[in-house]
Amino acid sequence: GQQLNQSPQSMFIQEGEDVSMNCTSSSIFNTWLWYKQEPGEGPVLLIALYKAGELTSNGRLTAQFGITRKDSFLNISASIPSDVGIYFCAGTEAAGNKLTFGGGTRVLVKP
Amino acid sequence: DAEITQSPRHKITETGRQVTLACHQTWNHNNMFWYRQDLGHGLRLIHYSYGVQDTNKGEVSDGYSVSRSNTEDLPLTLESAASSQTSVYFCASSVSSSYNEQFFGPGTRLTVL
Repeated sequence: GQQLNQSPQSMFIQEGEDVSMNCTSSSIFNTWLWYKQEPGEGPVLLIALYKAGELTSNGRLTAQFGITRKDSFLNISASIPSDVGIYFCAGTEAAGNKLTFGGGTRVLVKP
Repeated sequence: DAEITQSPRHKITETGRQVTLACHQTWNHNNMFWYRQDLGHGLRLIHYSYGVQDTNKGEVSDGYSVSRSNTEDLPLTLESAASSQTSVYFCASSVSSSYNEQFFGPGTRLTVL
């Protein structure tokens, strides 16, 4: 089935720095969602995008729906330690409710 | 506050036993979903339902079944548990076909010995 390629697979953050991750697909998506998952918990929805070119913020998080509709980006500005977790992108290809998930980007704190 | 809950949070069972995982949401969402999460595979869809009496197979449905007798609940049954079904299971719900935002429960960690 459809795969979403999410990169990087993992990254280290230093407090205060900006980081970004992205998600690409081989086909057009109608919806892009970004989730964060912390250990022992379910994914929590961060941002939902429904229109090509859309740029949406949630606090220090900003996500964009790529203009080609085949990609999306998530930026975290001014990282703090509680940003640690796994970030998943997800999307739907058509007017349905089945989400396809990326493999996740694991965000860790630089030692 | 409206929410989505799963029970049990942890379960250990033996190969061949029938197991049922509960999912209950109080948002009155039409759509409910079951996923499993495994290292290296991310989240994979098992079954989903768009309303009462509606059930559909996802990409990894073999060995699992669901039934939807009311809006609030979508129990997931493993008919005869196998070690390959050791995983973390997540239930999710969403409002309708107009919005794809799914909200997840806290998960059930299932171990099949």
